[in-house]
Amino acid sequence: AQTVTQSQPEMSVQEAETVTLSCTYDTSENNYYLFWYKQPPSRQMILVIRQEAYKQQNATENRFSVNFQKAAKSFSLKISDSQLGDTAMYFCAFALDSNYQLIWGAGTKLIIKP
Amino acid sequence: DAGVTQSPTHLIKTRGQQVTLRCSPISGHKSVSWYQQVLGQGPQFIFQYYEKEERGRGNFPDRFSARQFPNYSSELNVNALLLGDSALYLCASRHRGRPEQYFGPGTRLTVT
Repeated sequence: AQTVTQSQPEMSVQEAETVTLSCTYDTSENNYYLFWYKQPPSRQMILVIRQEAYKQQNATENRFSVNFQKAAKSFSLKISDSQLGDTAMYFCAFALDSNYQLIWGAGTKLIIKP
Repeated sequence: DAGVTQSPTHLIKTRGQQVTLRCSPISGHKSVSWYQQVLGQGPQFIFQYYEKEERGRGNFPDRFSARQFPNYSSELNVNALLLGDSALYLCASRHRGRPEQYFGPGTRLTVT
């Protein structure tokens, strides 16, 4: 069975700083995807970034980038130049390419302070 | 294009009652999945449908059922509601061959 672990329940940084959220996962499969989703107070789940396990290159989307370490089963999210609008719950999620069913971590609450 | 839509937004039911939640996927998306998110936790997978067929089911009791219609919209039904069914129910759609899922705003169900 696959599991996803987020060990940081809450983080807080100043606006414009860089912050890194951690995620580890466990699987015996080789073909899968990893995602970071953002859930602001409105509770709308928003896709931030996606990584294919077969790609060695780390995914980047504007201020958001990941550090994907397949051997270590680690998938961290780095947010650069953090903004007040980045305040939200951030969830790490895993999906096998055979079924695309998302398995989620418990989330990290990120607070950006002005 | 419109995103994933869900109805109703909020719902209050009494223990033992039945509820139906509705979801319309993004145009062109034929796969719909349902997730339950209890307050303070990450979502849990309930069902996945593709082309009107059930393609996956999470660890939920038989009180939970779903279906997908020819227009790819979907309904989630929960019978004999329990207090523990109180949660945000999220619907997500996915384009064939692509792994990313896009979520609707959710339906907040409160069971009293």
